[in-house]
Amino acid sequence: EVQLVESGGGLVQPGGSLRLSCAASGFTFSSYTFNWVRQAPGKGLEWISSISGSSSNIYYANSVKGRFTISRDNAKNSLSLQMNSLRAEDTAVYYCARAVLYPAEHDYWGQGTLVTVSS
Amino acid sequence: QSVLTQPPSASGTPGQRVTISCSGSSSNIGNNYVYWYQQFPGTAPKLLISRSNQRPSGVPDRFSGSKSGTSASLAISGLRSEDEADYYCATWDDSLSGVLFGGGTKLTVL
Repeated sequence: EVQLVESGGGLVQPGGSLRLSCAASGFTFSSYTFNWVRQAPGKGLEWISSISGSSSNIYYANSVKGRFTISRDNAKNSLSLQMNSLRAEDTAVYYCARAVLYPAEHDYWGQGTLVTVSS
Repeated sequence: QSVLTQPPSASGTPGQRVTISCSGSSSNIGNNYVYWYQQFPGTAPKLLISRSNQRPSGVPDRFSGSKSGTSASLAISGLRSEDEADYYCATWDDSLSGVLFGGGTKLTVL
């Protein structure tokens, strides 16, 4: 059974840092591209980053470029998102999502982890 | 303001057919597959339509997708109360080198 479990969310002050993790199981992790998608309270979905299976292709949304870093450890079946210089507008539920073949084709999602940026 | 434009709301009565549109441009919908996601409050999105018009396993055939030029549509026939949810279109944008989501459409079953 495919499972994606995010962790690492919480309350952080503006300007602070946080590292999210996504633990994957039930499939060959290295074969898939992964994305981080977030959803601010009461708002729509926003894609923020994508990483290919070998980490050779990495993309970021303009809203997080230079502040967030996506990475993966295929040996540990783990995906990460290092978030620096956090702002109030980064407050959201963060989902990791597996892409089947195309980057926007997310067939499995985690349950999400809430990040709150507030003083 | 999303690059992919969806109506913020849609509604229908049980049994009706409802369509939700998603408008983009040549760099996104015009040159890439479109995906549709269904999301219930407090839960993760679910892939509803893949590669513009394909239903993943387990998705009822009441749901269908289409694409023409720089626009796409999601159609729901035989509307049921359990279809009340938020629906998002998504695609890749070649110019931005990123995934785009539409702003979402809240479907109400009257």
